[in-house]
Amino acid sequence: DSGVTQTPKHLITATGQRVTLRCSPRSGDLSVYWYQQSLDQGLQFLIQYYNGEERAKGNILERFSAQQFPDLHSELNLSSLELGDSALYFCASSAHGGSSTNEKLFFGSGTQLSVL
Amino acid sequence: SQKIEQNSEALNIQEGKTATLTCNYTNYSPAYLQWYRQDPGRGPVFLLLIRENEKEKRKERLKVTFDTTLKQSLFHITASQPADSATYLCALNSGYALNFGKGTSLLVTP
Repeated sequence: DSGVTQTPKHLITATGQRVTLRCSPRSGDLSVYWYQQSLDQGLQFLIQYYNGEERAKGNILERFSAQQFPDLHSELNLSSLELGDSALYFCASSAHGGSSTNEKLFFGSGTQLSVL
Repeated sequence: SQKIEQNSEALNIQEGKTATLTCNYTNYSPAYLQWYRQDPGRGPVFLLLIRENEKEKRKERLKVTFDTTLKQSLFHITASQPADSATYLCALNSGYALNFGKGTSLLVTP
């Protein structure tokens, strides 16, 4: 058990809908990362938050947004869903997440999103 | 553009042999490189980190090398076991982000 909790484990929805994925980092970790994993694209970095502030942005679509709350849990909001958004979404956490650090990431077990 | 390339073909080896996986990268100046293991339907699990000024790192049956001139890392599993069967991902930092390769699937048969 990595200590990172993601809910829900599975989500089935229709095109055009909006969903929210939730992540609780390991106790004491300040940084949260979101990744999308599909068979053809591999593990794609979406966004990173550190202590409530956005720190880095990757290949995140404008239809997607995220935030980190004062209690350090994070939510990833996906709107106007398309079939191609079907994927496994992972959250990871690390203690600090600075660019000069060499911290390992602890991953949750993911949310499997199916858009029908 | 930045690229992290891992062999997309699965690697099949016999139990007891050494598995060697390759990670090549372009347009990165990484301070460190990490290797993760991922089992089907699970999140990646950290295995090893090697810094740019380190040539080699070992942990039990695992060994990682890092050649910043060749822009390549090699990941070795010695005395491989069927339980080592999984997908192995390398990851490089780019500023604050940690970017992953697509991974190489390893199958160790008895």
